[in-house]
Amino acid sequence: NAGVTQTPKFQVLKTGQSMTLQCAQDMNHEYMSWYRQDPGMGLRLIHYSVGAGITDQGEVPNGYNVSRSTTEDFPLRLLSAAPSQTSVYFCASSYRTIPGTPNTGELFFGEGSRLTVL
Amino acid sequence: GESVGLHLPTLSVQEGDNSIINCAYSNSASDYFIWYKQESGKGPQFIIDIRSNMDKRQGQRVTVLLNKTVKHLSLQIAATQPGDSAVYFCAEMGSGGSQGNLIFGKGTKLSVKP
Repeated sequence: NAGVTQTPKFQVLKTGQSMTLQCAQDMNHEYMSWYRQDPGMGLRLIHYSVGAGITDQGEVPNGYNVSRSTTEDFPLRLLSAAPSQTSVYFCASSYRTIPGTPNTGELFFGEGSRLTVL
Repeated sequence: GESVGLHLPTLSVQEGDNSIINCAYSNSASDYFIWYKQESGKGPQFIIDIRSNMDKRQGQRVTVLLNKTVKHLSLQIAATQPGDSAVYFCAEMGSGGSQGNLIFGKGTKLSVKP
């Protein structure tokens, strides 16, 4: 099973360049999200989506755009990269929490994309 | 603001010993807690979860304890093995929240000495 697939695994950008981090899942999960992981900061939520056509901001959304045109894909776009965006990015997916039913925090993570902005 | 934190950033144990990883949380409204394991170069993996109406939950070699009085969560790993070496994250979710409201702690690195 492929699970959550992220590409590329490594990327080096110059300040001001744009790029898209790709994320695809084959588990028919409604919920997808992007986190960034920095040393000593844990995982911080950038954007998330509870279904196709729906996106919302997380804790640190500035400088990033997302879209969710299909259930499977959730790309993360950096329009003008900055050195502060140097980080490891993780995409995650799960079944959507239904109001009134027990929450689940079981996120399925990709292997990560390491981005360096010079 | 609310936060999830860890008492120890690093923990070194001998193979075969039991490991205890601690986590403090400050949001009294959180009612669901999760532990994740992250091996080097990989994404986090779900280990075990616990809801606030429970004090203890056991899995295979792992036990999570929840003390709501002092807002403390711990992960116990029995007979720690080299494959348990990783960074462990606790996370919390508030009542009625979704995965978008999941707050992760900063992590504890567990090193297992053979």
